[in-house]
Amino acid sequence: AQTVTQSQPEMSVQEAETVTLSCTYDTSESDYYLFWYKQPPSRQMILVIRQEAYKQQNATENRFSVNFQKAAKSFSLKISDSQLGDAAMYFCAYRSAGKTGRRALTFGSGTRLQVQP
Amino acid sequence: GAVVSQHPSWVICKSGTSVKIECRSLDFQATTMFWYRQFPKQSLMLMATSNEGSKATYEQGVEKDKFLINHASLTLSTLTVTSAHPEDSSFYICSARIPWGQGIRNTEAFFGQGTRLTVV
Repeated sequence: AQTVTQSQPEMSVQEAETVTLSCTYDTSESDYYLFWYKQPPSRQMILVIRQEAYKQQNATENRFSVNFQKAAKSFSLKISDSQLGDAAMYFCAYRSAGKTGRRALTFGSGTRLQVQP
Repeated sequence: GAVVSQHPSWVICKSGTSVKIECRSLDFQATTMFWYRQFPKQSLMLMATSNEGSKATYEQGVEKDKFLINHASLTLSTLTVTSAHPEDSSFYICSARIPWGQGIRNTEAFFGQGTRLTVV
């Protein structure tokens, strides 16, 4: 079974600064997807960024980028120019890509990000 | 993006009663929907996978007779918490994916707004 580990329960960053959230995962599969989701106080899950395992290039979405290290099974999220609206719970998630793999998301325990003005 | 609507957003019920939560895909057909449970300050834990036209697949430890899932159409899945008890109080979230071939964003899961259930 796949597992996702987020070792930072809480992180804090100053507004306009950069912060990196860590995520590691364990899998025996070679084809999969990795995601970072944001959950603000409203509890609505919002997709931040997605990475396909077969792609070597790290995904980027505006101020959000990932450092995907497949061999190390590491998938960190970097938030640049942090804004007050970035304050939320961030979940790293894994999903199989193969036809026989688990189709649901497996989530890490989450990292609560605080942004200081 | 695709929209998943979950209703109600919150509900309070008495112990022993049943509560139904609806999850609808508004602008796409979802052959598969997922139901998660989230305890305060914790992660989302998969309860079951809902398949249109067939029985749901429950995760180990989830009581299928207590958490009834029905996926009678391609746009609606329901979760019924039967004979609710205070320990069933939690945040329940559904999600759905666009089936392969229906859209380019079929790797992404879309989430409902969640339902906060309080059993008193």
